[in-house]
Amino acid sequence: QSALTQPASVSGSPGQSISISCTATSSDVGDYNSVSWYQQHPGKAPKLMIYDVSNRPSGVSNRFSGSKSGNTASLTISGLQAEDEADYFCSSYTTSSTWVFGGGTKLTVL
Amino acid sequence: QVQLQQSGPGLVKPSQTLSLTCAISGDSVSSNSVSWNWIRQSPSRGLEWLGRTYYRSKWYNNYAVSVKSRITINPDTSKNQFSLQLNSVTPEDTAVYYCARIRVGKFDFDYWGQGTPVTVSS
Repeated sequence: QSALTQPASVSGSPGQSISISCTATSSDVGDYNSVSWYQQHPGKAPKLMIYDVSNRPSGVSNRFSGSKSGNTASLTISGLQAEDEADYFCSSYTTSSTWVFGGGTKLTVL
Repeated sequence: QVQLQQSGPGLVKPSQTLSLTCAISGDSVSSNSVSWNWIRQSPSRGLEWLGRTYYRSKWYNNYAVSVKSRITINPDTSKNQFSLQLNSVTPEDTAVYYCARIRVGKFDFDYWGQGTPVTVSS
């Protein structure tokens, strides 16, 4: 059982906004301020989309945003596009100096 | 631009050693500003961080508890690369293996290798 719980799937229509949650179920993640989000298309390596809860790396669309409330972090994608269809994973550093990942969420653009 | 190029066999027999290499360009394995990680992904276990190596005046490693007794991650400064060795593999170790970088003071994997599918089977 992962220390980070994500919904298995979410869907939305083009132009809509969706959010994916990532809930910490273990105190191993500490203050949970080191959450990052990754996008993975089939057969490809994960790509960093959000780091430190809400920061976007250079080159990532501003349609992607991150937030956190308590022990739940969220990735929001606004103005959904067909190319956003992918798997999304959250990750967090732990108090044991290791990293944990969520089980992943499959985003379908209808 | 940092690039990580993985290499290694895609098929390993049970009880043998899985060995993969990650060649780095655009950065240095000996940099004090980063750490070099191995992560794997399988349908049954999802994404799983395995361990890392990093240089801070000397070399350090830390490993996931799940593989700690079987794993070694080593830097190779002459070739600017690092390696993964996983001993005594079983079919449970079948996965896609990735190398990835983390910057000092950060907790996200900002560059990834292309991934190497590894099957453990006789």
